[in-house]
Amino acid sequence: NAGVMQNPRHLVRRRGQEARLRCSPMKGHSHVYWYRQLPEEGLKFMVYLQKENIIDESGMPKERFSAEFPKEGPSILRIQQVVRGDSAAYFCASSPDSGANVLTFGAGSRLTVL
Amino acid sequence: SQELEQSPQSLIVQEGKNLTINCTSSKTLYGLYWYKQKYGEGLIFLMMLQKGGEEKSHEKITAKLDEKKQQSSLHITASQPSHAGIYLCGAARIQGAQKLVFGQGTRLTINP
Repeated sequence: NAGVMQNPRHLVRRRGQEARLRCSPMKGHSHVYWYRQLPEEGLKFMVYLQKENIIDESGMPKERFSAEFPKEGPSILRIQQVVRGDSAAYFCASSPDSGANVLTFGAGSRLTVL
Repeated sequence: SQELEQSPQSLIVQEGKNLTINCTSSKTLYGLYWYKQKYGEGLIFLMMLQKGGEEKSHEKITAKLDEKKQQSSLHITASQPSHAGIYLCGAARIQGAQKLVFGQGTRLTINP
């Protein structure tokens, strides 16, 4: 049973380009969460999605950032027109339908903006 | 200020020594979670505490929850190099909710 799969593990972009980060939740999990970890800081919640629905996006920056979790396929966190301040580790977590609160995390995607 | 304050922020201990990491919440807790992160990797779930006074152990790691004080402590006995990493506490702010907020982490180094 594969865990939460994130790709790419490392992504380098130049300022102004787009970054797309993908997350496949654990089998049987339909809740996905995205967190951002800036250097030397803790994890900051960004967005919580269920299939085809955004449940809570209170941690998403108002501009340039978007997330989706389609009926088929992985969840995608999209960052348009990246800036140096977007350089961070982006973690995805998933949980099952049952309401259990234990989040299973992926290994993260590390974005570097040049 | 952080909703969850962890102390200390970093800790260096001699192998074999005991240590404690604390997590204090400024808001009501509905579940307290401890995770461990190794550099460059994701978070590994350690323990979940939901009731005041609850205490759980896994191998040489013990976590306790003081609901009145809105605090949790993580205690490691006879530390080993494998315990090195960043320890993060996370809390649910709404009962039954799955969204967690996290402390800033405690970086643990074990010296041989």
